[in-house]
Amino acid sequence: GQNIDQPTEMTATEGAIVQINCTYQTSGFNGLFWYQQHAGEAPTFLSYNVLDGLEEKGRFSSFLSRSKGYSYLLLKELQMKDSASYLCAVLDSNYQLIWGAGTKLIIKP
Amino acid sequence: SQTIHQWPATLVQPVGSPLSLECTVEGTSNPNLYWYRQAAGRGLQLLFYSVGIGQISSEVPQNLSASRPQDRQFILSSKKLLLSDSGFYLCAFQAGTSDYNEQFFGPGTRLTVL
Repeated sequence: GQNIDQPTEMTATEGAIVQINCTYQTSGFNGLFWYQQHAGEAPTFLSYNVLDGLEEKGRFSSFLSRSKGYSYLLLKELQMKDSASYLCAVLDSNYQLIWGAGTKLIIKP
Repeated sequence: SQTIHQWPATLVQPVGSPLSLECTVEGTSNPNLYWYRQAAGRGLQLLFYSVGIGQISSEVPQNLSASRPQDRQFILSSKKLLLSDSGFYLCAFQAGTSDYNEQFFGPGTRLTVL
């Protein structure tokens, strides 16, 4: 079967750095997405990785290792508005998105 | 620019009543369209997707159905709602012109079945 694992919840301090991990086992791989979802709102696209390595976009970076079936989302200089759920999703061989359950990130002052 | 609309935003319905949720997309042609459901604190469950008018693929057997009567319109329906149908329903589209084939989501409909 297809499976994506993320921690259920993480807590971090305002101004700090946090890394949210995602491991996946899917039938094929055509890219990995990270989305941010604030409570009660729709997910919004953050990043996309299809090749190994780090993609940086402002305070957010996303890393991929295809051989390990592993990705992480790195958030720097945390702000209170970063409190949200972060969803990892993999595009499989049929170009269908397989979604993780999401990681709820709590930022404390 | 591309936009996606969903309505209503919230809905409270009794068990056994019908359902119709509508989603429309603007600013793009022939998008792939998706209906997801998200239970509280859970991930996204794909319910239906469509690659063109009248073309619907169902991912999960249930008492829901979907239709795509026009290129940029996607409707989720039920003849008789169950308690287990409660959740957050999200419509999404994927456009061929996007950089990464990412999906863009509508604002969602929060459905409570009592």
